[in-house]
Amino acid sequence: GQNIDQPTEMTATEGAIVQINCTYQTSGFNGLFWYQQHAGEAPTFLSYNVLDGLEEKGRFSSFLSRSKGYSYLLLKELQMKDSASYLCAVRDPGGYQKVTFGTGTKLQVIP
Amino acid sequence: EPEVTQTPSHQVTQMGQEVILRCVPISNHLYFYWYRQILGQKVEFLVSFYNNEISEKSEIFDDQFSVERPDGSNFTLKIRSTKLEDSAMYFCASSEWPGLYEQYFGPGTRLTVT
Repeated sequence: GQNIDQPTEMTATEGAIVQINCTYQTSGFNGLFWYQQHAGEAPTFLSYNVLDGLEEKGRFSSFLSRSKGYSYLLLKELQMKDSASYLCAVRDPGGYQKVTFGTGTKLQVIP
Repeated sequence: EPEVTQTPSHQVTQMGQEVILRCVPISNHLYFYWYRQILGQKVEFLVSFYNNEISEKSEIFDDQFSVERPDGSNFTLKIRSTKLEDSAMYFCASSEWPGLYEQYFGPGTRLTVT
C-alpha cells in the first residue's frame, strides 16, 4: 500500500512564499499529483511529477525526489484565494488509474 | 470550458435504500472515476472505468457498489443498500487517458444516509 504524510495545517502571509511538503512510502512509484481543494468543493489539478526535479507553472511549482520519497509544492506571491487544502496524491504502482491521496494540508493565508 | 457535472448535488436517503448518483463526464474523455470523501477525511479512490468495464477498483468498492455507463453521456454509481457509513461526498472524475493526464473532478454529490 501507500503511506503519504503531509502537515495538517499551515499559515502564511499574503504576498509571501510557502512550501508544503509531502513524503510517501510506497512499494513502487508511478507519479505524484498535487491538487487544490477549497472547502466544500472538488479537487482541482495543480501539477504532476513523475521524474525528479522541479516543475514550474506560474505561481505554483512542484518538486520531486524519488530516491527520498519526497515532494513539495511551492506557492509564490500568496493571495487570499490560495487559502485551501492542498492534497498530495500518489499513483499506485502497477496501474495507471488508482490514486492514493494524502489527508491534505490546510493552508490559511492571512493579510 | 468543458466540465464534469453531477446530479443531484445533495441526496438524503434512509439506511437500506438504493441510491444512484449520476455524472456526465467531459465528452471526449475515455476514462471515468468515482471517489468519495467522508467529511473531514481524505479523498478515497473507489473505481475506474474504461471501455464499458471496470479497470481498477479499491477494497472499498464491494458488492454493494456498481457502476454503469447506460448511454453515451452518463456514468452512474449505484449503492444497493446504503449504510450510515456511506454518508460522504462522492466525486466523479474523467480523463482523456490514464497515466500523466489529469483527472477533472465534478462538483460532487453529498450523500446523507439517515
